Amino acid sequence: EAAVTQSPRNKVAVTGGKVTLSCNQTNNHNNMYWYRQDTGHGLRLIHYSYGAGSTEKGDIPDGYKASRPSQENFSLILELATPSQTSVYFCASGDGQGAQAPLFGEGTRLSVL
Amino acid sequence: AQKVTQTQTSISVMEKTTVTMDCVYETQDSSYFLFWYKQTASGEIVFLIRQDSYKKENATVGHYSLNFQKPKSSIGLIITATQIEDSAVYFCAMREGYNYAQGLTFGLGTRVSVFP
Repeated sequence: EAAVTQSPRNKVAVTGGKVTLSCNQTNNHNNMYWYRQDTGHGLRLIHYSYGAGSTEKGDIPDGYKASRPSQENFSLILELATPSQTSVYFCASGDGQGAQAPLFGEGTRLSVL
Repeated sequence: AQKVTQTQTSISVMEKTTVTMDCVYETQDSSYFLFWYKQTASGEIVFLIRQDSYKKENATVGHYSLNFQKPKSSIGLIITATQIEDSAVYFCAMREGYNYAQGLTFGLGTRVSVFP
């Protein structure tokens, strides 16, 4: 069964600390995505990847880095976390075909204090 | 740049009735794909139905159907015979055809509450 798994599911971080959010997919999809969801802003694309070794900036990449070490794994990295990065983060994967709807993970709730 | 607008913030309906929600999109591309997702109370985001821009027929999946009005850049979602479990937030999203690898652009969502 196709799956996108995120870890951790909940995270509390301190301002200025480093945070890494992980995503694993078993769908053998080429493309992976990181979104954040905030009230009033909906889902916004942070970074995406075409495949292992590639990362691309999405619509709101500032303050975030991404890493795609393998086909299955895609990480979102906050080097210096700030309270404005408190949000719910979703990872998704897709096969790169225009008509294919990306599959979403369960989400990670991040609070930066 | 692409843009997706859902103007209805929330809708309340009685169980077993039909609910319709609106979505308007903007794109310069002649080829694009439109998607509807549902986000449940647990936060899970689930794909429901898709419309391809080159298809004239409205897509239908189960009790979900679309009202695609291309000249108006509009893609409405219709849920018939609603059930309590249809209570959720519904998102409209678009992908332009020139770069399939890019992620979707989402609207802000419409919260649907179904009452017994």
